[in-house]
Amino acid sequence: GAGVSQTPSNKVTEKGKYVELRCDPISGHTALYWYRQSLGQGPEFLIYFQGTGAADDSGLPNDRFFAVRPEGSVSTLKIQRTERGDSAVYLCASSATGQGRAFFGQGTRLTVV
Amino acid sequence: GENVEQHPSTLSVQEGDSAVIKCTYSDSASNYFPWYKQELGKRPQLIIDIRSNVGEKKDQRIAVTLNKTAKHFSLHITETQPEDSAVYFCAASTQGGSEKLVFGKGTKLTVNP
Repeated sequence: GAGVSQTPSNKVTEKGKYVELRCDPISGHTALYWYRQSLGQGPEFLIYFQGTGAADDSGLPNDRFFAVRPEGSVSTLKIQRTERGDSAVYLCASSATGQGRAFFGQGTRLTVV
Repeated sequence: GENVEQHPSTLSVQEGDSAVIKCTYSDSASNYFPWYKQELGKRPQLIIDIRSNVGEKKDQRIAVTLNKTAKHFSLHITETQPEDSAVYFCAASTQGGSEKLVFGKGTKLTVNP
């Protein structure tokens, strides 16, 4: 595709449930990032992949959050035992090399009720 | 870790006036400084970026300046138009290092016709 694609665009889940958020980066981009954006705030870094490996996961808030990128393309962010405080827009971005410009997807708005 | 401060949080200008948004960063190793524009409910869109080996960059009505010594950088928009109204985010990263973008909290720019 032409840009970064994220699915679903909206997700409502009950507290305690498990959710998966998907990111399809720009074709050929080796670097992929997950960010979380709360209302009125800037994007907050979660994790960075270079290829298949997580090069920096220092932003993951706790062990309920996990992300994978098994084939170096599509990535999935997984959240276990969701809490109301997890409600936010989860943004994915990709970059050609990790040392270039990062382009964002439209985000997944997660609401935990 | 890196900390990015952004000012002002809101800015209102008349159409045709200039707008300036300022950011400071804390990590002297940061070497890449992009600016993103985010319209309500949309993805952050990269509008201009600058690397630490240059002091100024211009693209039509938008310019960015960087002062490495003082660790601050600014976005300048000239001849503002109503469609420039959005939230603008500055960010900093260490390319060749951690790669992650650390964002400011954003500036809501309103251009009044």
